[in-house]
Amino acid sequence: KAGVTQTPRYLIKTRGQQVTLSCSPISGHRSVSWYQQTPGQGLQFLFEYFSETQRNKGNFPGRFSGRQFSNSRSEMNVSTLELGDSALYLCASSLRTGRDDYGYTFGSGTRLTVV
Amino acid sequence: QKEVEQNSGPLSVPEGAIASLNCTYSDRVSQSFFWYRQYSGKSPELIMSIYSNGDKEDGRFTAQLNKASQYVSLLIRDSQPSDSATYLCAVRGSQGNLIFGKGTKLSVKP
Repeated sequence: KAGVTQTPRYLIKTRGQQVTLSCSPISGHRSVSWYQQTPGQGLQFLFEYFSETQRNKGNFPGRFSGRQFSNSRSEMNVSTLELGDSALYLCASSLRTGRDDYGYTFGSGTRLTVV
Repeated sequence: QKEVEQNSGPLSVPEGAIASLNCTYSDRVSQSFFWYRQYSGKSPELIMSIYSNGDKEDGRFTAQLNKASQYVSLLIRDSQPSDSATYLCAVRGSQGNLIFGKGTKLSVKP
């Protein structure tokens, strides 16, 4: 079955612009999480959505936002881009019931460069 | 802030040796633990999960969990050059999200 699909793969933006990244989870997965990965900080949690509701949010400024649609596809938006937002943005989908935990399956990521 | 700590490495082992990767975590209520492998330029892929104290084996990989010591480890037997990657330890936090360590870079020398 198809994996987690993220688009676009690469983006170059200018400081002050805004950007929207897209993620389609594995079919049947209703949970989508977003992470920012940088060499210095590693993988940092942005937010998690489940059935169109934000279930959890990391410690990022309000410039970072997201949403999830009824088909479980998710988007994240970063407004007023800063140089420090340059990173690999990873989307992960998961299938988790009350007892079972299968971890995350990651997409290939979107490499964002802010110049 | 709940944390997951890993030695950043690099950890260098000769081909055929056992590579031992370690991870400690701070949240005592954590119940699910994962090891991910990330090749350079690629996204993380899940290689092992463990939920109960003790060992769990899958091929050349063995995950070990000690909840009392808040310690998780990954052993890779008969290491191959293709195992050279960064290994990320992840813990399911009380808020539900996975908390990742910064990873240990493993280099397997032929």
